[in-house]
Amino acid sequence: IAGITQAPTSQILAAGRRMTLRCTQDMRHNAMYWYRQDLGLGLRLIHYSNTAGTTGKGEVPDGYSVSRANTDDFPLTLASAVPSQTSVYFCASSPHGTGSDTQYFGPGTRLTVL
Amino acid sequence: GQNIDQPTEMTATEGAIVQINCTYQTSGFNGLFWYQQHAGEAPTFLSYNVLDGLEEKGRFSSFLSRSKGYSYLLLKELQMKDSASYLCASQDSNYQLIWGAGTKLIIKP
Repeated sequence: IAGITQAPTSQILAAGRRMTLRCTQDMRHNAMYWYRQDLGLGLRLIHYSNTAGTTGKGEVPDGYSVSRANTDDFPLTLASAVPSQTSVYFCASSPHGTGSDTQYFGPGTRLTVL
Repeated sequence: GQNIDQPTEMTATEGAIVQINCTYQTSGFNGLFWYQQHAGEAPTFLSYNVLDGLEEKGRFSSFLSRSKGYSYLLLKELQMKDSASYLCASQDSNYQLIWGAGTKLIIKP
């Protein structure tokens, strides 16, 4: 049972480059989320998807895009990376995205933009 | 606005009890979550409260007062493995989570 996997584990990226962070879950959860976690700040929601084919913007969506072509995959793309996007990125999923749903987190991707 | 406050760091002794407080201001409040996060790892779910009162789950308990916008996580019989950050998150009217910055708990022998 894998749960949620993320790739890569870590990456150093030159500013201006395009980067896609991958996220796959095998729990058949409807809802998926992308967060960034920075020192001294809480997890901040970047984008979310309540079901395949739909996406929504979170608290900090600028500079990021997502797609949800199927239930399992939810990639996050940085079109042109900037140093302020240096962070740890967590993907999460939950069964329905409502009520008492527990969010399950992937192991994270540590991204450094130089 | 929406806001979550919790202490930045706490220290406790192995075998003791510690209470981590969290206050929140959330539009259309739908529940309060606590997660544990060990250094370098992903957050993992600990508890969920939507009604006022205490929820007990083994050594961990969580309390909620909706009228006061207040919750706490109570950890009993502390073990060294409980050294971690504890994240408080409130759920808003859209069922999205608003996260606190986390409380780093240091356990001393």
